Amino acid sequence: RKEVEQDPGPFNVPEGATVAFNCTYSNSASQSFFWYRQDCRKEPKLLMSVYSSGNEDGRFTAQLNRASQYISLLIRDSKLSDSATYLCVPQMGSYQLTFGKGTKLSVIP
Amino acid sequence: DVKVTQSSRYLVKRTGEKVFLECVQDMDHENMFWYRQDPGLGLRLIYFSYDVKMKEKGDIPEGYSVSREKKERFSLILESASTNQTSMYLCASSSELANTEAFFGQGTRLTVV
Repeated sequence: RKEVEQDPGPFNVPEGATVAFNCTYSNSASQSFFWYRQDCRKEPKLLMSVYSSGNEDGRFTAQLNRASQYISLLIRDSKLSDSATYLCVPQMGSYQLTFGKGTKLSVIP
Repeated sequence: DVKVTQSSRYLVKRTGEKVFLECVQDMDHENMFWYRQDPGLGLRLIYFSYDVKMKEKGDIPEGYSVSREKKERFSLILESASTNQTSMYLCASSSELANTEAFFGQGTRLTVV
């Protein structure tokens, strides 16, 4: 089983749509979870952390299900500027990060 | 703002050359990482370091070595470059505190011909 599995997409959605990405991870010892965003030909940057209770940051909502080892990211009211690849990252300690291969999102006018 | 700076954006080297990729961070981070990123394969960890002069192999260390003589600098060395090492190389750093984010450099696109 792969350590982190994500649907590679691409997800092509119209502006204003709601889109959801899922991620499963195999290491049950993972302690923290993140979503990173990577624009084309750029470096990954942190989008948001994922907390056990679920958390929201504007149009973005992240959920964590530890029992199922599953993380999700919901984007509401998609903007053209949301077009990017979204990377799921379970982490254990300070340096054991495992990056998913990412899900590519294209928001279409 | 945290800054992770890689010495080159683009690099072209010949097969068999020794190649040095340099990375410097200005946030006094303990942890530093080297990844390579290839289409369809995602980010793969080559080496990481959690302290000066300390290094640990990642998932794909073969053909690479690293050096960390100073806290702020982490170098990736390709001892004898090969065409299958053509890739995007990304350096990152993070604090020793658990569960904090990693900050990436802008990447070096290395082409080995």
